[in-house]
Amino acid sequence: EAQVTQNPRYLITVTGKKLTVTCSQNMNHEYMSWYRQDPGLGLRQIYYSMNVEVTDKGDVPEGYKVSRKEKRNFPLILESPSPNQTSLYFCASSLMGNSPLHFGNGTRLTVT
Amino acid sequence: AQSVTQLGSHVSVSEGALVLLRCNYSSSVPPYLFWYVQYPNQGLQLLLKYTTGATLVKGINGFEAEFKKSETSFHLTKPSAHMSDAAEYFCAVSESGATNKLIFGTGTLLAVQP
Repeated sequence: EAQVTQNPRYLITVTGKKLTVTCSQNMNHEYMSWYRQDPGLGLRQIYYSMNVEVTDKGDVPEGYKVSRKEKRNFPLILESPSPNQTSLYFCASSLMGNSPLHFGNGTRLTVT
Repeated sequence: AQSVTQLGSHVSVSEGALVLLRCNYSSSVPPYLFWYVQYPNQGLQLLLKYTTGATLVKGINGFEAEFKKSETSFHLTKPSAHMSDAAEYFCAVSESGATNKLIFGTGTLLAVQP
């Protein structure tokens, strides 16, 4: 089954404790991205990647890191999480260009 | 800069009634427009998209949207609401059509009353 898999689904952590949210897709998609979803703000893009080893900042990249060492994986790294990063995070992928985005089921992160 | 405005963060309709979710966009070039749906505890799914050509776009689950350039609108409609339509709906715009430049609206939560 074609899918984007994120782990974990739920994560509670404390301020300053490094964490990684994994994202993997099995559709051989070139493009992958991370979004955060906050009430009243919709989805905002954090980082995206057009291909292996090619990443770029989205609209809200501060406090986040990403890497794209393999085509299928695009982990999101929070080196020193803060409470304002409490949010619902989505990974998405697409074949390329204006192809539709395929979303994972989300990771709900709480930073205390 | 491109942007999307969704009027009404919450919309409630009765089962069988018309669904109308409003979306207005701002773009300096002909836009690519999308509607996505998010069911509880799930990621977003594409409902429909407008690129070029016919201005009335049909999507999945009986939804359709009409691109009106003069009104800079891309409202989503469904003639008869079903309980399973209860979800959050997001309008999105991309000036170039590039997926990495997709700008989302703030969403409209649709409730369907029995």
